Amino acid sequence: QSALTQPASVSGSPGQSITISCTGTSSDVGGHNHVSWYQQHPGKAPQLMIYEVSNRPSGVPDRFSGSKSGNTASLTISGLQAEDEADYYCNTYTTRSPVVFGGGTKLTVL
Amino acid sequence: EVRLVESGGGLVQPGGSLRLSCAASGFTFNRYWMYWVRQAPGEGLVWVSRINPDGSNTNYADSVNGRFTISRDNAKSTLYLQMNSLRAEDTAVYYCSKDLTWGAMDVWGQGTTVTVSS
Repeated sequence: QSALTQPASVSGSPGQSITISCTGTSSDVGGHNHVSWYQQHPGKAPQLMIYEVSNRPSGVPDRFSGSKSGNTASLTISGLQAEDEADYYCNTYTTRSPVVFGGGTKLTVL
Repeated sequence: EVRLVESGGGLVQPGGSLRLSCAASGFTFNRYWMYWVRQAPGEGLVWVSRINPDGSNTNYADSVNGRFTISRDNAKSTLYLQMNSLRAEDTAVYYCSKDLTWGAMDVWGQGTTVTVSS
């Protein structure tokens, strides 16, 4: 069982906005800003979309944004596009285990 | 171009060993923490191990501690994962990745598949 809890699935129509949550504890997500988000298309390697809660690497569209409130981090995708359909994972740095991933969320674009 | 290329995966019997390699290019390899992450068929990402830039500090997931060993050769810009006493539950695609900051992994290889089966 993952230390970070994500919804198994979310869906949205093209042009809409969706939010994926990632819930941890005060010892990890709530204790610092070292939360990242990854996109993974089937059969492909993960791609970093957000780091340090809300920073976007070069080349990631600004439709992708991150935030955090308490022990829950969130990834928001606005202006949903067909190519956004993928699996999304959060991860964080912890004192118990240096890195832990969430269980993943399957995004379906209707 | 920044690139990571894994190799060494394959089919191995339970109890056997395998050594994965990850060749890095396009960045100064000896400046970064590096990771191994695996993904079992149909499952999510799981962190396996990490190593600091000079190779003096390593960490492992509980599930592989004592069986897997991470190492690096900075002269060859290559990361390794020695896997011993392999179990069926180690079957997965293994990715190597580069640290950007505090567990954020900004560069990933294409993955190499390890299948543990008799």
